Amino acid sequence: AQSVSQHNHHVILSEAASLELGCNYSYGGTVNLFWYVQYPGQHLQLLLKYFSGDPLVKGIKGFEAEFIKSKFSFNLRKPSVQWSDTAEYFCAVILENSGYALNFGKGTSLLVTP
Amino acid sequence: DGGITQSPKYLFRKEGQNVTLSCEQNLNHDAMYWYRQDPGQGLRLIYYSQIVNDFQKGDIAEGYSVSREKKESFPLTVTSAQKNPTAFYLCASSRIRGELYEQYFGPGTRLTVT
Repeated sequence: AQSVSQHNHHVILSEAASLELGCNYSYGGTVNLFWYVQYPGQHLQLLLKYFSGDPLVKGIKGFEAEFIKSKFSFNLRKPSVQWSDTAEYFCAVILENSGYALNFGKGTSLLVTP
Repeated sequence: DGGITQSPKYLFRKEGQNVTLSCEQNLNHDAMYWYRQDPGQGLRLIYYSQIVNDFQKGDIAEGYSVSREKKESFPLTVTSAQKNPTAFYLCASSRIRGELYEQYFGPGTRLTVT
């Protein structure tokens, strides 16, 4: 079965530090990958997605992710975080044979300190 | 204003009572989904529906039921058979044709059962 692993459950960074959140998936076929963000008190929203093409994907708010097929990874990056990036981040992959439902990782809680 | 509405935002019930969570979308999306979010667990799929009058079980459907009588609506009933119903419930919708698999999420309903 497809699964998604997020390595870091809690991350604390100072403003202006660089961010990399790990995401690995277990599936050998074609994958559609997503990063979602949940800001405190807000809806879950899409940061970026990868379906095909350029493995370096740019998203909203300066985030990007790189799909590395050989490593089954889709890590999220941002060169310089801000206090407003404090949120929970979820990596997800489309489930096969489940009406395009998403299989989510357990999430990474990011706290950015001033 | 297009989007997904879930009501109520907070819901309290006594053990042994069934409770229905509302989800409505005006995005004209074909597919709708229910996820459950628990701390440290990510989001897990309860049910999904790709067309009216049809729905499928997700990973954790036991103790839940749904209906899809209208394209816009996908209510979730948490029955007394659900052993641990206290959680945050998220509804989502998406198109299911082409590469438009992005899921849009509602604000969620936090259910507390005592």
